[in-house]
Amino acid sequence: DTGVSQNPRHKITKRGQNVTFRCDPISEHNRLYWYRQTLGQGPEFLTYFQNEAQLEKSRLLSDRFSAERPKGSFSTLEIQRTEQGDSAMYLCASTQTAGGPDLYEQYFGPGTRLTVT
Amino acid sequence: AQSVTQLGSHVSVSEGALVLLRCNYSSSVPPYLFWYVQYPNQGLQLLLKYTTGATLVKGINGFEAEFKKSETSFHLTKPSAHMSDAAEYFCAVTPQGNTPLVFGKGTRLSVIA
Repeated sequence: DTGVSQNPRHKITKRGQNVTFRCDPISEHNRLYWYRQTLGQGPEFLTYFQNEAQLEKSRLLSDRFSAERPKGSFSTLEIQRTEQGDSAMYLCASTQTAGGPDLYEQYFGPGTRLTVT
Repeated sequence: AQSVTQLGSHVSVSEGALVLLRCNYSSSVPPYLFWYVQYPNQGLQLLLKYTTGATLVKGINGFEAEFKKSETSFHLTKPSAHMSDAAEYFCAVTPQGNTPLVFGKGTRLSVIA
């Protein structure tokens, strides 16, 4: 178990540019979540997958955001035409659905900090 | 819809003193409740969780929390604070355990020597 990894850890971009983040979940986990955390706030849900299927998208996820998990393993989150308001920490988490409630735990990665200038 | 309210954005305690971080939730169904800790520039680490069964749950690093349905609360406590406990703490709720978490705004804990 190597934990959830995210790349890059930091990204600085200019307004209007596109950025893509990657998340590698724990290998046996079939659910993968994306959250966004702004300064002084708790994480807010963006979207999640079970295997390769995207199950839900938050209303926070504007049309400029897209996420995919092509083979049910790693996931990417792309932001097109970035805006200064997109500056935040983007967190990925994974979990497994097998087993009972005692196994319900989302394991978080270290996050990707995006700064839009 | 679920929501979480954490009373006090910043709590300061002396080393060795009791830690009490407050969390109240609203949920239309029996909730699953979690406390996470976040150290600077790091992801979130689970401290403890309530799913079913015993309402007093014990977690890592000496923390515990009690689920009180009548008060819709899930307060986090630790008998004796340590300097290493200084961090941001988040309470979270979800209705079905493996569905997206709804987080509170967090409480920053400072420990004074």
